[in-house]
Amino acid sequence: QVRLQESGPGLVKPSETLSLTCTVSGGSISSGDYYWSWIRQPPGKGLEWIGYINYIGTTYYNPSLKSRITLSVDTSKNHFSLQLNSVTAADTAVYYCASYDNSVLPGHFDFWGQGTLITVSS
Amino acid sequence: SYELTQTPSVSVSPGQTASITCSGDKLGNKYVCWFQQKPGQSPVLVIYQDIKRPSGIPERISGSNSGNTATLTISGTQGMDEADYYCQAWDNNNAVFGGGTKLTVL
Repeated sequence: QVRLQESGPGLVKPSETLSLTCTVSGGSISSGDYYWSWIRQPPGKGLEWIGYINYIGTTYYNPSLKSRITLSVDTSKNHFSLQLNSVTAADTAVYYCASYDNSVLPGHFDFWGQGTLITVSS
Repeated sequence: SYELTQTPSVSVSPGQTASITCSGDKLGNKYVCWFQQKPGQSPVLVIYQDIKRPSGIPERISGSNSGNTATLTISGTQGMDEADYYCQAWDNNNAVFGGGTKLTVL
């Protein structure tokens, strides 16, 4: 079973860039059956998909966030990363990384990390 | 943009059947997933491709999808089923989540 663990700063100042990393264990990030995803949840609210990336760097982004997002993957470290720039208080949320099983279409988000709370505040 | 609408809350007595709905334009033409999220925990996939259960999900949890509505049904509801439930579908390469339904087992 794939396990995912997010790591990040916890607190980010407004207008700065949020950087998060998700480390994958129990499986290879180079699996062609998976896309590697980011999903967020503001406190007390619902889920919002941010985007996903596969091991060769093919990306799909939420159109509402596309202009501020960069996803990357490092197969040597078995991890993938999110950068979200020009953050505001509205970006305060629990950020989850998740695996997206694309082996049978349509795929599904099958395993999730524990999530990390990112607060945007000065 | 595409929207999925869920009733904010549903209450059910232990042992009864709970139905949680998710509505969207021509939703029956898309595949729907359902996630269960308990307080302070990450979401867990309970249904994918409308009706399929991942390993470890009990048979009393089932899904359906037709017309404009997908339904998650929990039979013989137990206290452990109390959670928030989210539906999710794809529209033009964009993953869309419903707003969530809080299931209370009274």
